[in-house]
Amino acid sequence: DIQMTQSPSSLSASVGDRVTITCRASQGISNSLAWFQQKPGKAPKSLIYGASNLQSGVPSKFSGSGSGTDFTLTISSLQPEDFATYYCQQYNSFPLTFGGGTKVEIK
Amino acid sequence: QVQLVQSGAEVKKPGASVKVSCKASGYTFLKFGVGWVRQAPGQGLEWIGWSNTNNGNRNYGQNVQGRLTMTTDASTNTAYMELRSLRSDDTAVYYCARTKVGATDFDYWGQGTLVTVSS
Repeated sequence: DIQMTQSPSSLSASVGDRVTITCRASQGISNSLAWFQQKPGKAPKSLIYGASNLQSGVPSKFSGSGSGTDFTLTISSLQPEDFATYYCQQYNSFPLTFGGGTKVEIK
Repeated sequence: QVQLVQSGAEVKKPGASVKVSCKASGYTFLKFGVGWVRQAPGQGLEWIGWSNTNNGNRNYGQNVQGRLTMTTDASTNTAYMELRSLRSDDTAVYYCARTKVGATDFDYWGQGTLVTVSS
């Protein structure tokens, strides 16, 4: 199975900050990487697929990059509605696997 | 607009079975796959299964292999997951999510169904 490791597991940031979350795969997954945002008590929301492609309706302050084993999600200017937990997920091969999540909290 | 609407919360005893439905609307059901993901209380996301609605191919996660059955009813645009021999560690919110046929990245999610396993 491909293990997905996210870092950090949590971070504190202020409104307006630029935030970067890292996701590392235990083996190469090409660009088969997605990112999700989840708020407490809500279903995950899809943000990015193919490592760098925004899902329809997702604002451009979110961006993704990477290929192979190392990936990043960047939020260019953090807003109050962005405080949430973020997950990466590989879909290169079964079983599909998620990272452990990164909780973004208000400083 | 694309919507996935799941059935309501369930409380089951250990050893019982539960069946969760996921009714799709706003798109052509057979052109997209359906996956299932669960989240135990306070924990992260765990993929448990994926179904190609077009050709019936299915893949199951190891933790539910042999206990999970995924089915679809194209006449009602509804996907189902049935989990048998329930254990306390199956207590979780279960989500269905749409994927493109030929790919397994999720784009739209259901609202979730809480399944509680307790004696």
